[in-house]
Amino acid sequence: DTGVSQDPRHKITKRGQNVTFRCDPISEHNRLYWYRQTLGQGPEFLTYFQNEAQLEKSRLLSDRFSAERPKGSFSTLEIQRTEQGDSAMYLCASSVGTGGAGNEKLFFGSGTQLSVL
Amino acid sequence: LAKTTQPISMDSYEGQEVNITCSHNNIATNDYITWYQQFPSQGPRFIIQGYKTKVTNEVASLFIPADRKSSTLSLPRVSLSDTAVYYCLADAGNNRKLIWGLGTSLAVNP
Repeated sequence: DTGVSQDPRHKITKRGQNVTFRCDPISEHNRLYWYRQTLGQGPEFLTYFQNEAQLEKSRLLSDRFSAERPKGSFSTLEIQRTEQGDSAMYLCASSVGTGGAGNEKLFFGSGTQLSVL
Repeated sequence: LAKTTQPISMDSYEGQEVNITCSHNNIATNDYITWYQQFPSQGPRFIIQGYKTKVTNEVASLFIPADRKSSTLSLPRVSLSDTAVYYCLADAGNNRKLIWGLGTSLAVNP
């Protein structure tokens, strides 16, 4: 049990609908990441928060994607006007950031599996 | 960020020791080497991390030679439950930019 929880575990939606996922990180972790993973591939970075500030967003991320982390606690990832290509596992991870230290360890949730029909 | 190369797949049998080697020829001075394990339909799980020489924990050992251009994850006496994908990453704290690659798919047979 890593302590990072994601909700829902599975989401089936129709193309064009909006979806929102939630991530609750380990409580003392100040860093939060969102990744996307498709079958047979490694996780792909989407965006990163330190506390409530969204410090980085992948250039590959469409403007249909938005993420928030109000008050530096839980985070939400919203996808607007979903497309079939958005079907993937969406993973959230958290860590305790210590500046540029190279020994940071990520703790992942179980992910939200999105299927866009 | 150091790009890593590892075998796509490996096969083993229960009770054997498994060694998965990862190459990271352009590793930087500040990069650490970290290994994660992932089961189907779950997020990756941290296994072990090291900078040089040898690191051992209750799950695995990590061997890193002096030039740090490669590393070897050693899993002692694997069981069926060790069947998973194993990712090797070399990073200097920039987890947001990590390139995970395809990992090594380990199949442990009875």
